[in-house]
Amino acid sequence: GENVEQHPSTLSVQEGDSAVIKCTYSDSASNYFPWYKQELGKRPQLIIDIRSNVGEKKDQRIAVTLNKTAKHFSLHITETQPEDSAVYFCAASKESGGYQKVTFGTGTKLQVIP
Amino acid sequence: ETGVTQSPTHLIKTRGQQVTLRCSSQSGHNTVSWYQQALGQGPQFIFQYYREEENGRGNFPPRFSGLQFPNYSSELNVNALELDDSALYLCASRGGTNTGELFFGEGSRLTVL
Repeated sequence: GENVEQHPSTLSVQEGDSAVIKCTYSDSASNYFPWYKQELGKRPQLIIDIRSNVGEKKDQRIAVTLNKTAKHFSLHITETQPEDSAVYFCAASKESGGYQKVTFGTGTKLQVIP
Repeated sequence: ETGVTQSPTHLIKTRGQQVTLRCSSQSGHNTVSWYQQALGQGPQFIFQYYREEENGRGNFPPRFSGLQFPNYSSELNVNALELDDSALYLCASRGGTNTGELFFGEGSRLTVL
């Protein structure tokens, strides 16, 4: 089955700096890669996603890149703010005929220091 | 638009007991999946229901079972509870086969003593 590895497990940055979180996946058939943000005691929420036919996607301060050959994808947050502090999960998903099995990474706890 | 709601929010059981967790999907969403999130870990896929049928399952034993009802709400049942079943159980719904985003509930935190 799919295996998703995520690094680093914790990340501290100064406010205004950039943060990068990296993930690798094992199943070359995976075709959808979402990133979820989970604040303490809250539900995970989608912040950005990318499909396998795209190499890069950007939404304001957040961007995701995908390298299908190397089977890795990364989340980039620029100009970090204290409210970016949370746990971030990458995930890989294979969608086929309405069935979607999402495999999550182990999470990165991001701390933005004011 | 009503989001995904789960009940109960917290519960405590003893080893060997059975538990039922409930989920109401977001309005218009016909696909529901359940995840187990142990402390400090990412959510792990248990199974998915689409139009009242289970159409996908992760690496969980048969004592984890579920149901989906005609209104797309869902239940997760766990029999013969073990200590390792202590976790946050998340329900997620999505709107269709071509939309990848999962909409999560706040979860049910289960403690097994």
